[in-house]
Amino acid sequence: AAGVIQSPRHLIKEKRETATLKCYPIPRHDTVYWYQQGPGQDPQFLISFYEKMQSDKGSIPDRFSAQQFSDYHSELNMSSLELGDSALYFCASSPAWPPGYGYTFGSGTRLTVV
Amino acid sequence: DAKTTQPPSMDCAEGRAANLPCNHSTISGNEYVYWYRQIHSQGPQYIIHGLKNNETNEMASLIITEDRKSSTLILPHATLRDTAVYYCIVMYNNNDMRFGAGTRLTVKP
Repeated sequence: AAGVIQSPRHLIKEKRETATLKCYPIPRHDTVYWYQQGPGQDPQFLISFYEKMQSDKGSIPDRFSAQQFSDYHSELNMSSLELGDSALYFCASSPAWPPGYGYTFGSGTRLTVV
Repeated sequence: DAKTTQPPSMDCAEGRAANLPCNHSTISGNEYVYWYRQIHSQGPQYIIHGLKNNETNEMASLIITEDRKSSTLILPHATLRDTAVYYCIVMYNNNDMRFGAGTRLTVKP
Protein backbone atom coordinates (compact mmCIF):
# COMPACT_ATOMS: atom_id res chain seq x y z
CA ALA A 1 0.00 0.00 0.00
CA ALA A 2 1.17 3.52 -0.77
CA GLY A 3 2.47 5.46 2.20
CA VAL A 4 3.25 9.08 2.99
CA ILE A 5 6.54 10.03 1.36
CA GLN A 6 8.81 12.67 2.82
CA SER A 7 11.96 14.10 1.33
CA PRO A 8 14.72 14.49 2.04
CA ARG A 9 15.26 12.00 4.86
CA HIS A 10 18.16 13.98 6.26
CA LEU A 11 19.13 17.61 5.83
CA ILE A 12 22.01 19.61 7.24
CA LYS A 13 21.88 23.39 7.05
CA GLU A 14 23.81 26.25 8.57
CA LYS A 15 22.30 28.94 10.74
CA ARG A 16 20.38 31.61 8.84
CA GLU A 17 19.99 29.36 5.80
CA THR A 18 16.69 28.24 4.29
CA ALA A 19 15.31 24.70 4.12
CA THR A 20 12.42 23.18 2.20
CA LEU A 21 10.83 19.89 3.23
CA LYS A 22 8.45 17.99 0.98
CA CYS A 23 5.57 15.69 1.70
CA TYR A 24 3.60 13.48 -0.71
CA PRO A 25 0.38 12.22 0.86
CA ILE A 26 -1.38 8.94 0.27
CA PRO A 27 -3.44 9.10 -2.94
CA ARG A 28 -6.95 10.47 -2.37
CA HIS A 29 -5.97 11.95 0.99
CA ASP A 30 -6.85 15.62 0.76
CA THR A 31 -5.50 16.79 4.12
CA VAL A 32 -1.86 17.15 5.12
CA TYR A 33 -0.43 17.86 8.56
CA TRP A 34 3.06 18.90 9.68
CA TYR A 35 4.61 18.11 13.05
CA GLN A 36 7.92 19.03 14.67
CA GLN A 37 9.60 16.77 17.21
CA GLY A 38 12.60 18.10 19.10
CA PRO A 39 15.05 15.79 20.87
CA GLY A 40 13.32 13.96 23.71
CA GLN A 41 10.04 15.71 23.05
CA ASP A 42 6.62 14.65 21.83
CA PRO A 43 5.49 15.63 18.33
CA GLN A 44 4.12 19.18 18.19
CA PHE A 45 1.53 20.17 15.61
CA LEU A 46 2.65 22.94 13.26
CA ILE A 47 0.09 23.40 10.51
CA SER A 48 -2.41 21.59 8.32
CA PHE A 49 -3.96 21.99 4.88
CA TYR A 50 -7.22 20.82 3.41
CA GLU A 51 -7.87 21.12 -0.30
CA LYS A 52 -4.88 23.45 -0.67
CA MET A 53 -6.12 25.86 1.99
CA GLN A 54 -4.64 26.22 5.46
CA SER A 55 -7.09 24.58 7.83
CA ASP A 56 -5.42 24.71 11.24
CA LYS A 57 -2.37 26.28 12.78
CA GLY A 58 -0.36 25.27 15.79
CA SER A 59 2.91 26.49 17.23
CA ILE A 60 4.54 27.31 13.91
CA PRO A 61 7.17 30.08 13.99
CA ASP A 62 6.67 33.07 11.71
CA ARG A 63 9.90 32.09 9.94
CA PHE A 64 8.15 28.95 8.70
CA SER A 65 5.59 28.79 5.95
CA ALA A 66 3.87 25.96 4.16
CA GLN A 67 1.55 25.31 1.29
CA GLN A 68 -0.31 22.51 -0.41
CA PHE A 69 -0.20 22.23 -4.17
CA SER A 70 -2.75 21.14 -6.75
CA ASP A 71 -1.46 17.56 -6.66
CA TYR A 72 -1.93 17.66 -2.85
CA HIS A 73 1.74 17.44 -2.02
CA SER A 74 2.91 19.93 0.57
CA GLU A 75 6.10 21.84 1.27
CA LEU A 76 7.32 23.30 4.54
CA ASN A 77 9.64 26.24 4.05
CA MET A 78 11.88 27.33 6.90
CA SER A 79 13.94 30.50 6.71
CA SER A 80 16.57 32.10 8.95
CA LEU A 81 17.25 28.73 10.47
CA GLU A 82 18.24 28.61 14.13
CA LEU A 83 20.01 25.88 16.08
CA GLY A 84 16.73 25.20 17.89
CA ASP A 85 15.07 24.23 14.63
CA SER A 86 17.07 21.01 14.65
CA ALA A 87 14.38 18.35 14.94
CA LEU A 88 12.46 15.60 13.24
CA TYR A 89 9.72 16.90 10.98
CA PHE A 90 6.83 14.57 10.28
CA CYS A 91 4.15 14.87 7.70
CA ALA A 92 0.85 13.00 7.95
CA SER A 93 -2.15 12.70 5.67
CA SER A 94 -5.77 11.71 5.97
CA PRO A 95 -9.05 12.13 4.19
CA ALA A 96 -11.03 14.99 5.65
CA TRP A 97 -14.05 12.73 5.96
CA PRO A 98 -15.25 10.45 7.48
CA PRO A 99 -14.23 11.01 11.08
CA GLY A 100 -12.63 8.04 12.71
CA TYR A 101 -10.15 7.55 9.88
CA GLY A 102 -7.00 8.70 11.63
CA TYR A 103 -3.71 9.88 10.21
CA THR A 104 -0.93 8.09 8.36
CA PHE A 105 2.53 9.43 9.10
CA GLY A 106 5.63 9.56 6.95
CA SER A 107 9.07 8.49 8.10
CA GLY A 108 10.12 12.06 8.76
CA THR A 109 12.91 14.44 7.78
CA ARG A 110 15.72 14.93 10.25
CA LEU A 111 16.91 18.53 10.05
CA THR A 112 20.20 19.45 11.66
CA VAL A 113 21.15 23.11 11.88
CA VAL A 114 24.84 23.76 12.53
CA ASP B 1 -4.90 21.65 27.60
CA ALA B 2 -4.12 17.94 27.42
CA LYS B 3 -7.18 15.83 26.76
CA THR B 4 -5.57 12.62 27.98
CA THR B 5 -3.47 11.44 30.90
CA GLN B 6 -1.12 8.48 30.67
CA PRO B 7 1.53 7.07 33.01
CA PRO B 8 4.98 8.21 31.89
CA SER B 9 6.50 4.74 31.79
CA MET B 10 5.71 1.05 32.16
CA ASP B 11 7.63 -2.18 31.96
CA CYS B 12 6.38 -5.50 30.67
CA ALA B 13 7.94 -8.95 30.45
CA GLU B 14 8.33 -10.40 27.00
CA GLY B 15 5.45 -12.71 26.13
CA ARG B 16 3.15 -11.21 28.72
CA ALA B 17 0.23 -8.90 28.07
CA ALA B 18 0.93 -5.17 28.24
CA ASN B 19 -1.98 -3.11 29.53
CA LEU B 20 -1.60 0.62 28.93
CA PRO B 21 -4.16 2.88 30.63
CA CYS B 22 -5.41 6.26 29.50
CA ASN B 23 -7.71 8.73 31.20
CA HIS B 24 -9.83 11.03 29.03
CA SER B 25 -12.47 12.27 31.46
CA THR B 26 -13.49 15.27 29.30
CA ILE B 27 -14.09 13.29 26.13
CA SER B 28 -17.05 14.42 24.05
CA GLY B 29 -19.71 12.06 22.79
CA ASN B 30 -18.49 12.14 19.20
CA GLU B 31 -14.76 11.94 19.88
CA TYR B 32 -12.85 8.81 19.04
CA VAL B 33 -10.05 7.32 21.11
CA TYR B 34 -6.94 6.62 19.06
CA TRP B 35 -3.75 4.84 19.98
CA TYR B 36 -0.50 5.45 18.16
CA ARG B 37 3.03 4.40 18.96
CA GLN B 38 6.43 5.73 18.04
CA ILE B 39 9.40 3.43 17.87
CA HIS B 40 12.67 5.31 18.31
CA SER B 41 12.27 8.40 16.10
CA GLN B 42 10.23 6.63 13.45
CA GLY B 43 6.97 8.15 12.28
CA PRO B 44 4.06 7.54 14.66
CA GLN B 45 2.29 4.31 13.81
CA TYR B 46 -1.45 3.77 14.03
CA ILE B 47 -2.48 0.92 16.33
CA ILE B 48 -6.22 1.02 16.89
CA HIS B 49 -9.14 3.33 17.53
CA GLY B 50 -12.67 3.15 18.90
CA LEU B 51 -15.72 5.20 19.75
CA LYS B 52 -17.82 3.30 22.25
CA ASN B 53 -17.32 -0.40 21.77
CA ASN B 54 -14.26 -2.47 22.50
CA GLU B 55 -12.15 -3.09 19.43
CA THR B 56 -9.61 -5.71 18.40
CA ASN B 57 -7.27 -5.98 15.47
CA GLU B 58 -4.16 -7.92 14.64
CA MET B 59 -2.00 -5.65 16.77
CA ALA B 60 -3.99 -4.94 19.89
CA SER B 61 -7.28 -4.68 21.75
CA LEU B 62 -8.89 -1.48 22.97
CA ILE B 63 -11.14 -1.54 25.99
CA ILE B 64 -13.24 1.59 26.56
CA THR B 65 -15.15 2.00 29.80
CA GLU B 66 -18.90 2.41 29.61
CA ASP B 67 -18.71 6.08 30.63
CA ARG B 68 -15.90 6.55 28.04
CA LYS B 69 -13.76 8.40 30.55
CA SER B 70 -10.90 5.95 30.30
CA SER B 71 -9.54 3.22 28.09
CA THR B 72 -6.90 0.51 28.08
CA LEU B 73 -4.74 -0.62 25.21
CA ILE B 74 -3.82 -4.29 25.44
CA LEU B 75 -0.90 -5.84 23.59
CA PRO B 76 -1.67 -9.51 24.19
CA HIS B 77 1.82 -10.97 23.84
CA ALA B 78 4.41 -8.22 24.06
CA THR B 79 7.69 -8.65 22.20
CA LEU B 80 10.91 -6.68 22.38
CA ARG B 81 9.86 -4.90 19.17
CA ASP B 82 6.88 -3.42 21.03
CA THR B 83 9.21 -1.21 23.05
CA ALA B 84 8.04 2.29 22.11
CA VAL B 85 6.24 5.41 23.28
CA TYR B 86 2.49 4.86 23.17
CA TYR B 87 0.15 7.81 22.69
CA CYS B 88 -3.54 7.91 23.55
CA ILE B 89 -5.34 10.65 21.61
CA VAL B 90 -8.97 11.75 21.50
CA MET B 91 -10.15 13.34 18.30
CA TYR B 92 -13.30 13.82 16.22
CA ASN B 93 -12.92 15.47 12.89
CA ASN B 94 -9.55 14.29 11.56
CA ASN B 95 -8.24 17.78 12.20
CA ASP B 96 -7.28 17.87 15.81
CA MET B 97 -4.55 15.32 16.51
CA ARG B 98 -2.44 16.67 19.35
CA PHE B 99 0.15 14.52 21.05
CA GLY B 100 0.39 14.68 24.81
CA ALA B 101 2.95 12.95 26.96
CA GLY B 102 2.64 9.28 26.14
CA THR B 103 3.72 6.15 27.96
CA ARG B 104 7.18 4.78 27.36
CA LEU B 105 6.72 1.01 27.33
CA THR B 106 9.81 -1.11 27.83
CA VAL B 107 9.48 -4.81 27.09
CA LYS B 108 12.12 -6.78 28.92
CA PRO B 109 13.42 -10.27 28.13
